[in-house]
Parts: sequence; C-alpha cells; structure tokens
Amino acid sequence: GNSVTQMEGPVTLSEEAFLTINCTYTATGYPSLFWYVQYPGEGLQLLLKATKADDKGSNKGFEATYRKETTSFHLEKGSVQVSDSAVYFCALSVPGSNDYKLSFGAGTTVTVRA
Amino acid sequence: GAVVSQHPSRVICKSGTSVKIECRSLDFQATTMFWYRQFPKQSLMLMATSNEGSKATYEQGVEKDKFLINHASLTLSTLTVTSAHPEDSSFYICSALSSGGSYEQYFGPGTRLTVT
Repeated sequence: GNSVTQMEGPVTLSEEAFLTINCTYTATGYPSLFWYVQYPGEGLQLLLKATKADDKGSNKGFEATYRKETTSFHLEKGSVQVSDSAVYFCALSVPGSNDYKLSFGAGTTVTVRA
Repeated sequence: GAVVSQHPSRVICKSGTSVKIECRSLDFQATTMFWYRQFPKQSLMLMATSNEGSKATYEQGVEKDKFLINHASLTLSTLTVTSAHPEDSSFYICSALSSGGSYEQYFGPGTRLTVT
C-alpha cells in the first residue's frame, strides 16, 4: 500500500534558521509527491509538488526534490520567518489509480520564534 | 487558482441533532470530492470519496449512516452528521479534485464542529 513517514515534531526554530523536514514514502506505482501547509484554524494549502523523479518543487522559499532512489521528498527552507509557523504535511497520490486519494504523513508542527 | 469553500466555518450543536456541512468548488467543476476528519494535532483521516451522481465510497470504519454524503452537482458536496454526539466533535475538511489535467486536490478551509 501507500504510506508516508515524516519527521515528528514539534520543531522550534529561531528566525532566519535553516529548516528541514524529512519525508519518505512507500508506494505501489509511480507517485506524485506533495507538501501541504496548514496554518492555525485553517484548511490545507498546497505548498509545492513534484510529479516525477529528480523534479524539484519550490514555492515561497521552500524546496523539495523528488528522490526516487531514496524514496524521499524532504522539505527545506534556508531562512525561516515567524510567518512560516504552521503544520506541514507530506503526502502522495498515485495518478491513475486509487481514485487520486492522498496519503498523508502525520504532520510536523513548526514554530519559528522571533 | 482553484478555490473551495466550506460552510459553515464553525458550528455548535446539541447532542442528538443533525448538522449539514457544505463544500463548494467555486471556479471549477469537480466530479470527485473528498471528506476528511482531523483530530487535534493529528493528520487528516479520509472519511469518504464523494462522486457526483453516485453513492459515496466510505473508508473502512466510517459509518455511512452516520455521515451522509450527497454530491448533487458538479460544484457541491454535502456532509451531514446525523444524531451528532460529543465524540463527533472535530475539524472536518473537504477537498475537490480538479479534473483539468492536473488531478490535484484543492482543500476547503475546514469546518469546526462542536457537539455539546
């Protein structure tokens, strides 16, 4: 089956620090990979995605590279801001199968202190 | 970008009553929508897949008679929590699947249900 394992939090950082959240996956088929962000009291927003091996997704200073050889999709940001405080979810879906359902990781809570 | 709305954003109801939550895709048509439940500080749990014009497909362990789903049009799916109890209190999130080539899920802002 499909599953996502991501680094457990919570993660607390100072402003301008480097952020990494690890994410690995198992999938039947060739998955698309996603990072979603959830701000307090809100739904999920797509942060970035990658649909094939070696693709790099990027948005708002965040990056993640689809590594098929290590089945990973780690999220990184070089200099975080207080506004990046949120819960981050790694997810996958396998296009063309399983009705496009998303499999989510457990979520990582990130708190950035000024 | 694609926008999905949910209504209401918050609802408080008494035990034993039913509550309806609406999920709308505002600028695209969605033949498939998904309903999730999220407990505090936890990940999203898929409850069911809602398909326009047909019965919803429920995940294992989700009571279909408890959580009624209706996908009456290409832009609207509703989730009705019947005979709600305090343990049904949760954050309910819907998403709509874009069929315009990307097959990407767009999420609503969520509905906070509190059953007293």
